[in-house]
Amino acid sequence: DAKTTQPTSMDCAEGRAANLPCNHSTISGNEYVYWYRQIHSQGPQYIIHGLKNNETNEMASLIITEDRKSSTLILPHATLRDTAVYYCIVGGTSYGKLTFGQGTILTVHP
Amino acid sequence: GAVVSQHPSRVICKSGTSVKIECRSLDFQATTMFWYRQFPKQSLMLMATSNEGSKATYEQGVEKDKFLINHASLTLSTLTVTSAHPEDSSFYICSARERAGGQETQYFGPGTRLLVL
Repeated sequence: DAKTTQPTSMDCAEGRAANLPCNHSTISGNEYVYWYRQIHSQGPQYIIHGLKNNETNEMASLIITEDRKSSTLILPHATLRDTAVYYCIVGGTSYGKLTFGQGTILTVHP
Repeated sequence: GAVVSQHPSRVICKSGTSVKIECRSLDFQATTMFWYRQFPKQSLMLMATSNEGSKATYEQGVEKDKFLINHASLTLSTLTVTSAHPEDSSFYICSARERAGGQETQYFGPGTRLLVL
């Protein structure tokens, strides 16, 4: 599976949009981009995933560049409860396993 | 999203005893489940992939005889830590893969915190 690179940490003001970048320059044509987050002492929570097109759900939006080498997860109106570690993971449709990197620690402050 | 549960949420045991952790997919059938381990301030590390009705596939460095995995039904997988030692103390997390609408999504349980004294 392709490797991803994320910033170690980011800050965001409550109520503002949080934009979390992810680089996956070695992604192959059939690999999806998945985003999960982990709030302290809990299991990871699925957020969103996409292949080529931008995706949006009730939690977030996923913007994938045309060359698919990078993506951005957008939390439109961050709240304090969005403080967590955010993981960007690349895998195929029938992904056999998800390999977690170190992720981005997002801190939302008042 | 789909719900995955784990039981127990936390367990404390004496060194040398065995501990069983259950993972259930509550509202979907999961042909494949995964077991992860997470040490403090570290990321999740995959331990094994569990397929219903067949033997689990273990990641390199994970002892299959120490971490017994059983996936007897489409909604239940169990992880048994045999002869647990203090170094096995960790946060154990399972996940289950849901197949719907031609796509697959992996959902995680809330985790089980194991402390071996």
